[in-house]
Amino acid sequence: DQQVKQNSPSLSVQEGRISILNCDYTNSMFDYFLWYKKYPAEGPTFLISISSIKDKNEDGRFTVFLNKSAKHLSLHIVPSQPGDSAVYFCAANSGNTPLVFGKGTRLSVIA
Amino acid sequence: DSGVTQTPKHLITATGQRVTLRCSPRSGDLSVYWYQQSLDQGLQFLIQYYNGEERAKGNILERFSAQQFPDLHSELNLSSLELGDSALYFCASSVGGTQTYEQYFGPGTRLTVT
Repeated sequence: DQQVKQNSPSLSVQEGRISILNCDYTNSMFDYFLWYKKYPAEGPTFLISISSIKDKNEDGRFTVFLNKSAKHLSLHIVPSQPGDSAVYFCAANSGNTPLVFGKGTRLSVIA
Repeated sequence: DSGVTQTPKHLITATGQRVTLRCSPRSGDLSVYWYQQSLDQGLQFLIQYYNGEERAKGNILERFSAQQFPDLHSELNLSSLELGDSALYFCASSVGGTQTYEQYFGPGTRLTVT
């Protein structure tokens, strides 16, 4: 049973436009959510996180939105740059439980 | 560069064999985590060690075992290998013992079982 789902395996966006990556979760106990970015031949790197007490967290070009009632979060990248092309993983956990990762979305930013 | 090192980068072995994957955490980090990423799958948490002791266990098979040594490096042992064990194995480290601390990932070891 997948507790964290990224339903879009891939996404293509033009440079300068907004990229929106989506993530749904089923476990209502999750209270901490993270996005990781992964380039080929490298390990994932932490990008941004949000606690369930917030509905938005912003860090430069990256903003994560959390909709607890819909059990949905999204990552917005504005403006998108070619260097943002990577696989993005959504992850979640509750308290001290292990992180649960989605399968990832491959973002391609086209110049 | 995350500061987490993993060796080897690639490993090709036959079914039934045993391999050891090695991880050195970032300087100062006490926790080490192991993850498996199979084709088209997200990262599956296997096990966490904190300062030498097992802290959390995920979907780790009985054929797999891990340990963390006094110098804090960790090894993941995979035995009686099957074709389905072919995957990317990532190690991550964090400063604290709880999963709320940011985890820094190594580049991974790609295991191919033939």
